[in-house]
Amino acid sequence: AQKITQTQPGMFVQEKEAVTLDCTYDTSDPSYGLFWYKQPSSGEMIFLIYQGSYDQQNATEGRYSLNFQKARKSANLVISASQLGDSAMYFCAMSQEGKSTFGDGTTLTVKP
Amino acid sequence: SAVISQKPSRDICQRGTSLTIQCQVDSQVTMMFWYRQQPGQSLTLIATANQGSEATYESGFVIDKFPISRPNLTFSTLTVSNMSPEDSSIYLCSVATGTVYEQYFGPGTRLTVT
Repeated sequence: AQKITQTQPGMFVQEKEAVTLDCTYDTSDPSYGLFWYKQPSSGEMIFLIYQGSYDQQNATEGRYSLNFQKARKSANLVISASQLGDSAMYFCAMSQEGKSTFGDGTTLTVKP
Repeated sequence: SAVISQKPSRDICQRGTSLTIQCQVDSQVTMMFWYRQQPGQSLTLIATANQGSEATYESGFVIDKFPISRPNLTFSTLTVSNMSPEDSSIYLCSVATGTVYEQYFGPGTRLTVT
């Protein structure tokens, strides 16, 4: 069975600084995708970044990067130059053929 | 990418009644899913909506409680039947597209059962 673990229920970061949100996963399947989503207070789920299990390089999307360490089964999200609008819930998810398993989420608060 | 709309965006319903949620996608997609997010919790997959056949339900979810229809590749409905306060949640429709099954979500339906 698939399992996603996010050990940080809440994180604080100063505006303009970088922050890392942790995610570890467990699966016996060699083929999978790892996703990060942002959920603001409005409730919508916003796709941020994707990493495939066979990808050799870490994924990057603007201020978001994914630190993928396959041997350690970790897929941490790094947000650089935090902005006040980054305050939200962040979910890590593992997907196999479209079906996703989500972690419990991390609430990020950016301080001015 | 895919643009997904859901109706209604929110509703307050009485115990024992049923609510049908609609999900419309702006393009044909093979994979469509329904998720539930209970207050303060993460997302849980309810079922995969299969076009032209019965939905595939995850453990803990049954067709009698959450009947799903998928008449074509752009539309699906989820019904929450015989509701109780424990059904108060956000219900999200999602689709997976592309070679890496990139997943997109609708805006969600906030359901409150009194």
